[in-house]
Amino acid sequence: KQEVTQIPAALSVPEGENLVLNCSFTDSAIYNLQWFRQDPGKGLTSLLLIQSSQREQTSGRLNASLDKSSGRSTLYIAASQPGDSATYLCAVKKTSYDKVIFGPGTSLSVIP
Amino acid sequence: EAQVTQNPRYLITVTGKKLTVTCSQNMNHEYMSWYRQDPGLGLRQIYYSMNVEVTDKGDVPEGYKVSRKEKRNFPLILESPSPNQTSLYFCASSRKGLANTEAFFGQGTRLTVV
Repeated sequence: KQEVTQIPAALSVPEGENLVLNCSFTDSAIYNLQWFRQDPGKGLTSLLLIQSSQREQTSGRLNASLDKSSGRSTLYIAASQPGDSATYLCAVKKTSYDKVIFGPGTSLSVIP
Repeated sequence: EAQVTQNPRYLITVTGKKLTVTCSQNMNHEYMSWYRQDPGLGLRQIYYSMNVEVTDKGDVPEGYKVSRKEKRNFPLILESPSPNQTSLYFCASSRKGLANTEAFFGQGTRLTVV
């Protein structure tokens, strides 16, 4: 059974720092991996999607990498801003028909 | 604009009073699903549908029903809500068959059952 974990559970950094969020999954046979952002009490916004054949994706200050063999993905946020404060969730899909399995999330606070 | 729309956004109801949360997507996606999010338990799938008239149970289907009569709509039905169904609910949709297909989520429905 696929399990997804995220470390750390919470992170507080001063504005301007670069930071890395980690995601691990137990079954390396994934279809894709997606990073989401969730603001308190709000919906999920998709940040980056990495296909199983890809190693990384970039969007603005965000860079996500994928190492299927080790069951890991990282989300790198450059030059963090207070507006980046949110919970970040990673999720994996085993096949195109499968449900999305979420990690528990990392709660990020960027201090001005 | 591509989106998944849930209604209502907030709902307070009493135990046993049937309710329906609607979900609609405008992207012609085949795959739709419902999740609930609870503190300490994360997001768990309730039901999913791979296409019209095709639905199946997720991890926590007890106490819920769904239907998929049209491709764009996937309502979640609570026939007799109970307090343990108080939660934040999300509807999601995606295309099937493509590795680069994202899952799109609605804004959530916060349900309180008293």
